[in-house]
Amino acid sequence: EVQLVESGGGLVQPGRSMKLSCAASGFTFSNYGMAWVRQAPTKGLEWVATISYDGSSTYYRDSVKGRFTISRDNAKSTLYLQMNSLRSEDTATYYCTRSYGLLPFDYWGQGVMVTVSS
Amino acid sequence: DIQMTQSPSFLSASVGDRVTINCKASQNINKYLDWYQQKLGEAPKLLIYNTNSLHTGIPSRFSGSGSGTDFTLTISSLQPEDVATYFCLQHNSGYTFGAGTKLELK
Repeated sequence: EVQLVESGGGLVQPGRSMKLSCAASGFTFSNYGMAWVRQAPTKGLEWVATISYDGSSTYYRDSVKGRFTISRDNAKSTLYLQMNSLRSEDTATYYCTRSYGLLPFDYWGQGVMVTVSS
Repeated sequence: DIQMTQSPSFLSASVGDRVTINCKASQNINKYLDWYQQKLGEAPKLLIYNTNSLHTGIPSRFSGSGSGTDFTLTISSLQPEDVATYFCLQHNSGYTFGAGTKLELK
């Protein structure tokens, strides 16, 4: 069974940093691309970032470019999202997702809440 | 950027009803439209991918149709466990989600 478990969320002040982790199990992590998707309170879902199966390629939405870094450790089957210079508009539940072929998000984690507030 | 307009936002139906949810894209997205279900407190679950392909383990009462800009998710006979929020995703050019449809039992 595919399982994705996020951790590392919480309350953080504007301008500070936070790192999210996603522990994957139930599949061969190193064979799949991965992504982060977020949902702000009372708002829709939006894609944040994607990383290729081997970490060689990364893609970001414009609003997080230069501030967020997606990375992975295939030996630990873990996905990361380093978030710097956080803004109030980054407040959201962040979901870890798996990519399979042409399916951008075939399995999702339960999500982790990030609140950016002073 | 491609915009996705999902309707209705809320839907109330009875067990056994046929339910349809729609997504309209602001431009042609070919077949690259997926549907997801999210129950309260749970992770989103992929139901349908590429317009009409049923994801692994999804009951056959769920189906998808459409092409180009107009797409539909159909539940042929609503079951109590189908109470959830449903949303669409286009992945023809970038990724854009619909705003969601909250489905409840009447």
